[in-house]
Amino acid sequence: QVQLVQSGAEVKKPGSSVKVSCTVSGGTFRDYGISWVRQAPGQGLEWLGGFVPLYGTANYGRGWYGRVSFTADGPMTTAHMELRSLRSDDTAVYYCARVVCFDMYYDRCKSTDSWGQGTLVTVSS
Amino acid sequence: EIVLTQSPGTLSLSPGERATLSCRASQSVSTSYLGWYQHKPGRAPRLLIYGASSRATGIPDRFSGSGSGTDFTLTISRLEPEDSAVYYCQQNGRSFGQGTKVEIK
Repeated sequence: QVQLVQSGAEVKKPGSSVKVSCTVSGGTFRDYGISWVRQAPGQGLEWLGGFVPLYGTANYGRGWYGRVSFTADGPMTTAHMELRSLRSDDTAVYYCARVVCFDMYYDRCKSTDSWGQGTLVTVSS
Repeated sequence: EIVLTQSPGTLSLSPGERATLSCRASQSVSTSYLGWYQHKPGRAPRLLIYGASSRATGIPDRFSGSGSGTDFTLTISRLEPEDSAVYYCQQNGRSFGQGTKVEIK
């Protein structure tokens, strides 16, 4: 049974950066894409972007290019999302998900097969 | 970027009733890459439907998906109390609709 476990809650100052980790057990990210999604308080789900660790390629949601970056470790069992220049409205729960995609550029993505539990990031002075 | 618009914003129905949720895309979406999720507070989203009409593993058959092109529908045939949640459509593993909240009276 594949499980994704995310790193713990973070409290950050405005203008700083945060790095959220997502570790898979019972499998790897090798043949998958990794999607990063967030939910701000009282808001819906927002897609930040997707990353294909086998190729190191990424696709970004509207407005996210340049402020968010995605990486994965060598064995492709841990993925990371770094968000820079944090603002108070970046306070949200951040999720990772493993995604079945048929394209190296995070395209033709059919479904997710597992999600992390979410990481609360609080941005406050 | 493809924009997904869901309607209605909120559905308030009784147990046993049928819920029909709509997802409209700003341009055509391949049925292969349209999914529906259920999201409850404090939990990760749960995949219900992928490929527009295929139920994910373990999803009860009262959940069904249909549609093509720019118009897709999620139907919950007989609502149960545990179906109270927000439901989202997603295209190509990317953008989500804004969600439909289903309330059980």
